[in-house]
Amino acid sequence: EIVLTQSPGTLSLSPGERATLSCRASQSVNGNYLAWYQQKPGQTPRLVIYGASSRATGIPDRFSGSASGTDFTLTISRLEPEDFAVYYCQQHGNTPFTFGPGTKVDIK
Amino acid sequence: EVQLLESGGGLVQPGGSLRLSCVASGFTYNIYAMTWVRQAPGKGLEWVSGISGSGDNTYYADSVKGRFTISRDNSRNTLYLQMNSLRAEDTAVYHCAKTIGSGWYCFDDWGQGTLVTVSS
Repeated sequence: EIVLTQSPGTLSLSPGERATLSCRASQSVNGNYLAWYQQKPGQTPRLVIYGASSRATGIPDRFSGSASGTDFTLTISRLEPEDFAVYYCQQHGNTPFTFGPGTKVDIK
Repeated sequence: EVQLLESGGGLVQPGGSLRLSCVASGFTYNIYAMTWVRQAPGKGLEWVSGISGSGDNTYYADSVKGRFTISRDNSRNTLYLQMNSLRAEDTAVYHCAKTIGSGWYCFDDWGQGTLVTVSS
């Protein structure tokens, strides 16, 4: 089973700042099949990025994803008020598919 | 509009069984793989199980393998999760989710979930 480690646990930033979230896999992920989800309190997760760098439908272009080996990054170029949430990574290249523990992006 | 409506949750004693259902609408159900993801209260997401569009291929998390069985009835647009030998650590909200298609096991539509509580 691939274990995903996300860092930091919490990221405190101000609107307009750049957010950089990390997800590290314990081993290679087939096809770099790594997704990112956004979850706000009381809501279901929203798919943001899949395949490491493809934006899901309706996701603004301030969100971008990248991969380097077993390291994956979600970048939000300029935080908007609606972007403050918990972000989870999920690998979808190897069964069993697994989620990371999440990074909370909160308002500084 | 995609809709996913789960049911079947409730309070069950350790060692007991439950069967969850998820009725889907708003898309061509039989061409999409489906999945169950759970979230314990105040905790993160945990992938539980997945099934291909035809139902021929099934996948399980190590934590539920041998205890849970996923299935689907494409004539009823319904996804199921049979849960046996339930443990306290299975307590969570169980969401069904639709994959984005083309064999990609990531999830673009989610149901609101059904709460399973395992307690004596």
